[in-house]
Amino acid sequence: AQKVTQAQTEISVVEKEDVTLDCVYETRDTTYYLFWYKQPPSGELVFLIRRNSFDEQNEISGRYSWNFQKSTSSFNFTITASQVVDSAVYFCALSEYHNQGGKLIFGQGTELSVKP
Amino acid sequence: DVKVTQSSRYLVKRTGEKVFLECVQDMDHENMFWYRQDPGLGLRLIYFSYDVKMKEKGDIPEGYSVSREKKERFSLILESASTNQTSMYLCASSLDPELAASTDTQYFGPGTRLTVL
Repeated sequence: AQKVTQAQTEISVVEKEDVTLDCVYETRDTTYYLFWYKQPPSGELVFLIRRNSFDEQNEISGRYSWNFQKSTSSFNFTITASQVVDSAVYFCALSEYHNQGGKLIFGQGTELSVKP
Repeated sequence: DVKVTQSSRYLVKRTGEKVFLECVQDMDHENMFWYRQDPGLGLRLIYFSYDVKMKEKGDIPEGYSVSREKKERFSLILESASTNQTSMYLCASSLDPELAASTDTQYFGPGTRLTVL
């Protein structure tokens, strides 16, 4: 069965610290996609990244980086030099190729609080 | 930019009322989705639609119905609202002409926080 686990419910850091948000997934499909979304206090989910199961290259976008490891079924997200504006709930999600309609399976979310 | 809008940010209704939540997207997307978000549970799929007048049940469809009469609009209907339907409701859309390759990114609206008294 498909499942996404974000074991960290809440994380609190001080500004400029680096922080890693963990995501572990389960799927039987060989082709799948992984996503990260950010939900600021305003409520709207903001798309951050989409990665397919055949591309294990790590990705960096500014202060954000993602580490995809199929061997451990993990897709972790690191924020370098965190800022107060990074405070939000972050969701990891999985979409399986053979899952009709492109259904997303979400983790429970990690609430990140960055204090000045 | 993809734009997904929802008719209300906050809504308060009484038990037993019929409630309509509206979602509109302006990017000619094929697929549309309704999720509810509850603390500790993440987002759970209620219904989705991959074409006009087509609908599919998600993981928690009980107590809900949907309508998609036009491509850009997807409505979630609570026939008789109950207190356990108090939640944040999020609509999303994605572009995907081929159902078998449904892996496109979903873009979300701002959400409707519904309270049922």
